[in-house]
Amino acid sequence: SQQGEEDPQALSIQEGENATMNCSYKTSINNLQWYRQNSGRGLVHLILIRSNEREKHSGRLRVTLDTSKKSSSLLITASRAADTASYFCATAQGYTGGFKTIFGAGTRLFVKA
Amino acid sequence: GAGVSQSPSNKVTEKGKDVELRCDPISGHTALYWYRQSLGQGLEFLIYFQGNSAPDKSGLPSDRFSAERTGGSVSTLTIQRTQQEDSAVYLCASSSGVNPYEQYFGPGTRLTVT
Repeated sequence: SQQGEEDPQALSIQEGENATMNCSYKTSINNLQWYRQNSGRGLVHLILIRSNEREKHSGRLRVTLDTSKKSSSLLITASRAADTASYFCATAQGYTGGFKTIFGAGTRLFVKA
Repeated sequence: GAGVSQSPSNKVTEKGKDVELRCDPISGHTALYWYRQSLGQGLEFLIYFQGNSAPDKSGLPSDRFSAERTGGSVSTLTIQRTQQEDSAVYLCASSSGVNPYEQYFGPGTRLTVT
């Protein structure tokens, strides 16, 4: 079963606006990651936030993590048409000898020029 | 350097036939993952190889699915007696020991079972 659940399932905004996507998960995690998938570049890792971090920035991306609520959000500021893609959160769950990464169903973002 | 490559990019097969999907990870990456993605859905974890350790096969949906990784590099995912519900994009990813959580994905193999 999927660990992460993103919402909204789809989001349509105008270029220049901010986009916020949310992710909820169910079990304890080592870290949470966000990935982007589009037809041109496939699935690409965007950013990782550790379980002891609350906020992280990378360029126009801002990720927050609230482990008490088991949720994370991804904010894309000043969106561009090129940001159109599906965005997935992924959680790393540790176990003896390794870890497993579980992906959510994703949010489809449409940025209109 | 070269990224993760997968072959074939597309595979159409008849129900009941066996298929083999290949993944070439980034050179030096110790971990290799297989996922399955159905149309418009997220990624379903299938199997995970880490170095010389026994693979984590907990995501394989049935005993028709198997995978091996030879010499700690190339991996083959085999699906026996394919069914229509096996139709999906099969994605392979690899990661390094230095940064194990950042996975680099291949372009995927689109499998269609008719």
